[in-house]
Amino acid sequence: EIVMTQSPATLSVSPGERATLSCRASQSVRSNFAWYQQKPDQAPRLLIYGASTRATNIPARFSGSGSGTEFTLTISSLQSEDFAVYYCQQYDDWPLTFGGGTKVEIK
Amino acid sequence: QVQLVESGGGVVQPGESLRLSCATSGFTFNSFGIHWGRQAPGKGLEWVAFMRSDGRYEWYADSVKGRFTISRDNSKNTLSLQMNSLRAEDTAVYYCARDGVVGGMGGYYFDYWGQGTLVTVSS
Repeated sequence: EIVMTQSPATLSVSPGERATLSCRASQSVRSNFAWYQQKPDQAPRLLIYGASTRATNIPARFSGSGSGTEFTLTISSLQSEDFAVYYCQQYDDWPLTFGGGTKVEIK
Repeated sequence: QVQLVESGGGVVQPGESLRLSCATSGFTFNSFGIHWGRQAPGKGLEWVAFMRSDGRYEWYADSVKGRFTISRDNSKNTLSLQMNSLRAEDTAVYYCARDGVVGGMGGYYFDYWGQGTLVTVSS
């Protein structure tokens, strides 16, 4: 099983600042990688797939990069609605696996 | 618009069974694989099962293999998850989610999710 490790567990950021979230895979997943956002009591929402392609209606302030084992989600200027938990996921091999999440909170 | 609506959750005792359903609309159901995922209270996301668009192939997480069975009815645009021999550790919100690749041969990412249904396994 491919283990996905996210860091940090919690990120404290002020509105308007940049946030950088990381995810590492235990083996190469090529670009078969996605990011999700989840707000309290809501279902997750797809942000990024293919490591860097924004999903439908996702604002341009969200960007993804990386390939192989190291991936980054950058939120260029945090808005109030961006404070949430973010999960990474690999789909290179079964079982599909998620990272443990990074909570982005208001500083 | 794409919609997925889960139902069938509830409270059951360990060892009992439960069947979840996922009703879909707004897309060509038989062109997409569908996943079940879950989230234990206060925990992260876990993929549970996947069935390909044609219903011919399915995959399971090791934690549920042999106990859970995924199925789909392409004539009714619905997906089901039969859960047997339930354990306390199966307690979670269960989500159905559409696979992101039309006609894909395997599992990929999850582009649309339902709102989830809560399953509680407790004596």
